[in-house]
Amino acid sequence: KAGVTQTPRYLIKTRGQQVTLSCSPISGHRSVSWYQQTPGQGLQFLFEYFSETQRNKGNFPGRFSGRQFSNSRSEMNVSTLELGDSALYLCASSVGTHSQETQYFGPGTRLLVL
Amino acid sequence: DQQVKQNSPSLSVQEGRISILNCDYTNSMFDYFLWYKKYPAEGPTFLISISSIKDKNEDGRFTVFLNKSAKHLSLHIVPSQPGDSAVYFCAAVTQGAQKLVFGQGTRLTINP
Repeated sequence: KAGVTQTPRYLIKTRGQQVTLSCSPISGHRSVSWYQQTPGQGLQFLFEYFSETQRNKGNFPGRFSGRQFSNSRSEMNVSTLELGDSALYLCASSVGTHSQETQYFGPGTRLLVL
Repeated sequence: DQQVKQNSPSLSVQEGRISILNCDYTNSMFDYFLWYKKYPAEGPTFLISISSIKDKNEDGRFTVFLNKSAKHLSLHIVPSQPGDSAVYFCAAVTQGAQKLVFGQGTRLTINP
């Protein structure tokens, strides 16, 4: 089976712009979660989507949003970018039917905000 | 409020010896725990997991131990190999939620 894929792998934006990141889960997985990794805050949960609905949400401002499509692919959007949004954004997928499941991660998108 | 803590930022071990990575948690609602290995600029790779109803799970060179009363888990790698050099993250899941809470990570270096 192919793993989780994320596009693009690298992105450079300027403050105030917006960005959209994409994630394709493992075939058959219906849950997609997004995480942000920064040197200061570590790995933090953004949100989780299951069957096109946001099921869980972390403590991030409303500038961070996401959606999931009927084929389980997910996109994450960050509007009005700030310097502090520079991070590695990771997507993870799982079957999604119960919480005691392994989440498998993609390679991440490295976002640099100038 | 750090619910999952890895108190050792780094660990250095001789090749062939045992590596022991530790993790403490505070939330008694966590019922599933995972260990991931991560290289720079890559996504975490799943290693091993354990449910709160067990106290040990083994997979090849990797064994995870869970002590619920102490809210502590550990990952044992035996024997340690140079390819094991990476950052190791402990993560926990609350019952009913698809949300991983991560520790800050421990950088493991295996010396030849």
